[in-house]
Amino acid sequence: SQELEQSPQSLIVQEGKNLTINCTSSKTLYGLYWYKQKYGEGLIFLMMLQKGGEEKSHEKITAKLDEKKQQSSLHITASQPSHAGIYLCGAGLFYNQGGKLIFGQGTELSVKP
Amino acid sequence: NAGVTQTPKFRILKIGQSMTLQCTQDMNHNYMYWYRQDPGMGLKLIYYSVGAGITDKGEVPNGYNVSRSTTEDFPLRLELAAPSQTSVYFCASSYSTGRGNEQYFGPGTRLTVT
Repeated sequence: SQELEQSPQSLIVQEGKNLTINCTSSKTLYGLYWYKQKYGEGLIFLMMLQKGGEEKSHEKITAKLDEKKQQSSLHITASQPSHAGIYLCGAGLFYNQGGKLIFGQGTELSVKP
Repeated sequence: NAGVTQTPKFRILKIGQSMTLQCTQDMNHNYMYWYRQDPGMGLKLIYYSVGAGITDKGEVPNGYNVSRSTTEDFPLRLELAAPSQTSVYFCASSYSTGRGNEQYFGPGTRLTVT
């Protein structure tokens, strides 16, 4: 099983709707990173969360970290076709060990116009 | 800054052939990484390096080799290509910080082994 589980694995929403993607770790988190990947391209950094209870927003995307639950959520408000892609969470599970990250399996988001 | 660059973008190999995937970063990052991405499996770490001359294995190192002779370059070598190595390969780099460790990714190399 994955050390970092994302849910759902895929999501289809109507444009304008809100959505949430979850990322849950089976181990203690040392930093949580959200990336977006467009089809056939590399990963684009979205946000980094380092402390329990931390919440960050960028445009219509908000990410939260619940360190006690070892979980992070990514929320998109009023989705647009430009939000479509694969969202991946990455976590540092080994403090300062070469900065290694473990990644979830990704959530594929489609937004219907 | 070009960031992280990877070559080639696409490659088809025959079983048993060898090749080197190139990765270069111009951000003076100490840490560099190689991942492979398979459908529905996220990213798996192959090898990583914390500085020139220092490399270590990740989760899935078998069938690969790396070297890090300079800060900028981190090539990944496949010696005897196998169909199981068909994947998309990403190189990434980061500063050598503690918990704040945003990784910058290259555009990827799509490799098919037949």
